[in-house]
This record gives sequence, C-alpha cells and structure tokens, in this order.
Amino acid sequence: EAQVTQNPRYLITVTGKKLTVTCSQNMNHEYMSWYRQDPGLGLRQIYYSMNVEVTDKGDVPEGYKVSRKEKRNFPLILESPSPNQTSLYFCASSFSRDPYNEQFFGPGTRLTVL
Amino acid sequence: AQSVAQPEDQVNVAEGNPLTVKCTYSVSGNPYLFWYVQYPNRGLQFLLKYITGDNLVKGSYGFEAEFNKSQTSFHLKKPSALVSDSALYFCAVRDMRVPGKSTFGDGTTLTVKP
Repeated sequence: EAQVTQNPRYLITVTGKKLTVTCSQNMNHEYMSWYRQDPGLGLRQIYYSMNVEVTDKGDVPEGYKVSRKEKRNFPLILESPSPNQTSLYFCASSFSRDPYNEQFFGPGTRLTVL
Repeated sequence: AQSVAQPEDQVNVAEGNPLTVKCTYSVSGNPYLFWYVQYPNRGLQFLLKYITGDNLVKGSYGFEAEFNKSQTSFHLKKPSALVSDSALYFCAVRDMRVPGKSTFGDGTTLTVKP
C-alpha cells in the first residue's frame, strides 16, 4: 500500500531531551515536507526537501533540524525541545518537486513537551 | 510572500443543501491551488487542485472548486451536502517562483446537520 508513515504517533517528553520523529514514504517521491498543526493556525511548514541532500527552511524552522540522506526518509529532529513545540506534526510527500503536485500526508505525530 | 485566507472558522449547513467553503490567496506569480480535507484523528487527504485551464475544477466525493483570478479566490463547493462531509477543510497555495514552499489557510470546520 502506498503510504507515508510516521513514528512515533504519540510522544510525551521533557524540555531539553533530544528526539527524532521519523518519516518514510514508499512511493519514490522526490519532494517531502514537515508541517506543524496548531489550533487556529492551520498547518505551518517547518522544512522541505526537493530531493536527496537538498533541504530548505519553511516558515517556522526555529528549533528543528532535518536531513534527507535517502529518498524515502525525512526525519525531523528536535535537538532541545521546548514546551512551545508541543503540537501535531505531519510529514508529507509528493511525486516531484513541481509545485502543481498534490501532497500525500502521514497520519501525524502528537508531541507533548513538558 | 504567499498567503491564504479562509475567512470562516466554521460553516454549518443542512444535509442536502449546497455548501461553500471560502478561500482567498495571494502569490507573486501564477498560483497552484489545492483543497485538502482532514477527518478527526487522521492526516490530510487531497480533494482537488487548480493548475491552469478551466476555472471550474472537479474533485473527489462530488466536490468542486471555482478559480477566480480577478478576485484571487478558490472557493470549495458541493451541490448537496452529506453528514459524512463534516470535517476540517484546508486551502493551500504554491507558486512556481518558490516551488518548495507550501502555504495553508487556517482551516474551516464544516458541520453538516441531518
């Protein structure tokens, strides 16, 4: 089944403890992106990747890191999480870097930072 | 900078009545416009998109959207609403000038009552 998977789905952690949220797609998609969803703020783009080894900042990159060493994986790294990073996170992918392609979304990761 | 506005946080309609969810956008170049739907505890699903050509775009589940360049709008419509259409709807825009960036509106909660 074609899909975007994220792990973990739920995570409760404490301030300052490094964590990684994994994202993997099995569709050979070129483009991948991370978003956070907060009530009343919609989805805001954190980072995106146009291809392997090519990443760029979205609208809210502060406090986050990403890497794209393989085409299928795009992990989101929080080096020192803070409570304001408590949110619902979505990974997405699309067939190519062209902006007219729709995105396929993962199921989401609900992160709570205490 | 690109932006999307969804002026209504909530739209309520009766089952069988037509529905409209509004979206306006701002981009520097030609827009690529998308509608996504999010059901409770799920990721976003693609509904339809406008790339170029016919201003009326048809998508999944009987939804359609009308692109209006002069009003910079891309309203989502359905002739006859179903209770199962109740969900959170997001409008999104991308621009060839910055192809990796994806901007979403804040979302509109659609409630269809029997």
